[in-house]
This record gives sequence, structure tokens and C-alpha cells, in this order.
Amino acid sequence: GQQLNQSPQSMFIQEGEDVSMNCTSSSIFNTWLWYKQDPGEGPVLLIALYKAGELTSNGRLTAQFGITRKDSFLNISASIPSDVGIYFCAGQVPGANSKLTFGKGITLSVRP
Amino acid sequence: DTEVTQTPKHLVMGMTNKKSLKCEQHMGHRAMYWYKQKAKKPPELMFVYSYEKLSINESVPSRFSPECPNSSLLNLHLHALQPEDSALYLCASSRLGLAYNEQFFGPGTRLTVL
Repeated sequence: GQQLNQSPQSMFIQEGEDVSMNCTSSSIFNTWLWYKQDPGEGPVLLIALYKAGELTSNGRLTAQFGITRKDSFLNISASIPSDVGIYFCAGQVPGANSKLTFGKGITLSVRP
Repeated sequence: DTEVTQTPKHLVMGMTNKKSLKCEQHMGHRAMYWYKQKAKKPPELMFVYSYEKLSINESVPSRFSPECPNSSLLNLHLHALQPEDSALYLCASSRLGLAYNEQFFGPGTRLTVL
């Protein structure tokens, strides 16, 4: 089946730094979603992407839908302590009938 | 209203108990989902309801029984669970259609099976 690769498993950055996360696959996706999950809470949708090459921002977050439709990245600029959490990418392949494929997630830690 | 609500927040049950998890959304979404999530893992899809009908069952054991009474409500009935069923259970909803795949999640129910 389809797999989404997110690595590394954990990232440690200094407050104020920018950070970039990638999500890659060997399969083509027609939707890319980025979620953030805090401990004990449900995932919160950050950005949704629907077109190859699309670049979308949401405050300090910017995400892009790769031209090949096999990857996406999420950038967080000027990180703050509340950016701590697990970031999941999720994608939908054509004809997947509402099913999402999730990456394994990246745990982000921000040092003050 | 862009919120999915879930009750209860926490649930502890014995292996012989029967309990239910509840989910509600008022965004007019016609697709609703149940996911199971273990610590530090991504959500795993269990069930999908489309237009109040079960459209996907990911080979979930029969001790989990979903129900969609109407377009706003989704229940998950639990019976004779095992300790390995302890997890965060997430409900999500979305519009239906090729262009609308954004799934919105509730806060989850933390289930502990003793």
C-alpha cells in the first residue's frame, strides 16, 4: 500500500529558528494535509494542499505540494515554544474513497 | 461552528463492561470517521460513514460496533474489550467529494481497558 515517509522522528531547534519538514512517497497523491497534535489532544489541521506546485501559508507556517505530486514540505518560521508537538503529514491517493495515508510524524521540541 | 466534540474525555472500563463513545459535529459534513491511535503513532482508520451508511470497515474486531444515528452523530459501542485496545480514540468528519478531503478531528477519548 501507499506509504508516507517522514524523517527524522524527532527534531530539536532553538526558539526563533526556522524549521522545515518533508513528507515523501513513491506514490502520487492528489491531496496533502499537515496536522499538529499536542499531547492528549486530537490532530489539528494546519494546511491543506490540492494542486501540484501549490504554495500555501497560514501565519508562520508555509507548505508546498510538490510538482511531482509525490512530496510536500512544511516550513515553520521564527519558532516559539507552543510549536512543540507532533507534526503529521497525510495524503490521499486518487480513488482512495475518503481514506488518508498518514506519515509516522515528527516530534518537534523547541528550546527557549 | 468548526468543531468536532467527543465524550467522554477519559474512560476506564473492565473487559466485561459495555460502554459507548460519542462524537458530534455541526459542520454539515456527510462523512464521519473513527480512528484508533497508540502513543507516538499516527491515527489508524477503523470505520468510515458516508451519508450515514457504513462505507469502510478496516477489518475491525466485532467488539467494536459503530453507529451513525444521524448526519451529526457518530457512536462507537464497546463490548468485551482487551487491554491492548487501550488507546486514544479519535472521531473526525469531512465533506464528501473529490476536492474536499480535509478531515477535522475531535479531541479524542482516552480509553483504558483493565
